[in-house]
Amino acid sequence: AQKITQTQPGMFVQEKEAVTLDCTYDTSDPSYGLFWYKQPSSGEMIFLIYQGSYDQQNATEGRYSLNFQKARKSANLVISASQLGDSAMYFCAMREGPYNQGGKLIFGQGTELSVKP
Amino acid sequence: GAVVSQHPSWVICKSGTSVKIECRSLDFQATTMFWYRQFPKQSLMLMATSNEGSKATYEQGVEKDKFLINHASLTLSTLTVTSAHPEDSSFYICSARPGSYYNEQFFGPGTRLTVL
Repeated sequence: AQKITQTQPGMFVQEKEAVTLDCTYDTSDPSYGLFWYKQPSSGEMIFLIYQGSYDQQNATEGRYSLNFQKARKSANLVISASQLGDSAMYFCAMREGPYNQGGKLIFGQGTELSVKP
Repeated sequence: GAVVSQHPSWVICKSGTSVKIECRSLDFQATTMFWYRQFPKQSLMLMATSNEGSKATYEQGVEKDKFLINHASLTLSTLTVTSAHPEDSSFYICSARPGSYYNEQFFGPGTRLTVL
């Protein structure tokens, strides 16, 4: 079974509008972490935002926020006020277990976001 | 911020030859480094986890003898693709973790390997 699922292969959004990228996960470990990365066409992985399983509040970083719904096992990324430079692949990833053990990430299939002018 | 470099950024080689890719943490010591492979339009797949001074832990289905990983120092890990074949052509990305109490991994820019 997929541990991380991104069901939107591609998304379009108008510049300056908000967009939500979906991510669901599956784990039985009570301690885990969820990450979102952006990968532009150059290939580099850019860290966007992190949510720990025990964090009480949803994470926010500038225009990025993570809508964490633990009971539904979802960790959707919300990008507000989209910019042309946001066009890229976006990956959701999960680290199972506490951060001081192992640390390997499992990635979702990715969502290709295109921002239209 | 923490910087991770990879060298080379791209390489083309003939089938049957071996290729070495270096991953360096430039401004921090990395106790753990990870190697990923990514095919076009696909996700990153973890190949192996390497800890400084010990043998790498390979993911299921990854051939240890084909993808040799060495993490000889706290700032350098190398991935050697031995006897490369066209199906090994891919984008290889490393990441580094400053220590076990660090949550984040820092990714290198990737190496694009093309085997003719």
